[in-house]
Amino acid sequence: DAGITQSPRHKVTETGTPVTLRCHQTENHRYMYWYRQDPGHGLRLIHYSYGVKDTDKGEVSDGYSVSRSKTEDFLLTLESATSSQTSVYFCAISAPDRGGTGELFFGEGSRLTVL
Amino acid sequence: AQSVAQPEDQVNVAEGNPLTVKCTYSVSGNPYLFWYVQYPNRGLQFLLKYITGDNLVKGSHGFEAEFNKSQTSFHLKKPYALVSDSALYFCAVRDIGNNNDMRFGAGTRLTVKP
Repeated sequence: DAGITQSPRHKVTETGTPVTLRCHQTENHRYMYWYRQDPGHGLRLIHYSYGVKDTDKGEVSDGYSVSRSKTEDFLLTLESATSSQTSVYFCAISAPDRGGTGELFFGEGSRLTVL
Repeated sequence: AQSVAQPEDQVNVAEGNPLTVKCTYSVSGNPYLFWYVQYPNRGLQFLLKYITGDNLVKGSHGFEAEFNKSQTSFHLKKPYALVSDSALYFCAVRDIGNNNDMRFGAGTRLTVKP
């Protein structure tokens, strides 16, 4: 299994509070991704990173920010959580860059409930 | 942008029978296509991918998928289903050269009954 650890694995919070999810990898891969999984939508890309301090938006980035200060860590922050952000969040890393041929390796997920 | 459709939310098969999970895609250029499987309360696991070459791709656990460019499809198949194959299956696509955006289908829940 790829060395990807997500924390926390479960979190319940209230509307309007900030939340940070952490993804830690031991594979030294350049590319890291945050997805959310919702029934009927599959996985949708929130943000991704292609190197330290290099990040970009994905398909559903509104209400989320990310930071990557070290190769191994990719943080996802909800500045002010809303009920629509209740979801399961997955971090993924990509095998060495081969022009898009690399498959993704996923963490175990972080289940977030916003009340 | 590229997209993927999985037309069946649910597929039910009997153990020992062949299974097919359908996927169609839309891209502006040539696609890279992937299949992933998700077991309950777990992350997605890579099954197989089509990059180029032979249209029939073989993956782990006896799964295979056939790339059909004219029908823009990439159906997942297995000749003999096992109860342990029951899981959620996702098809995904990337445009060639785009390392940044893998688009997933909504998923198909496969149930294999004894």
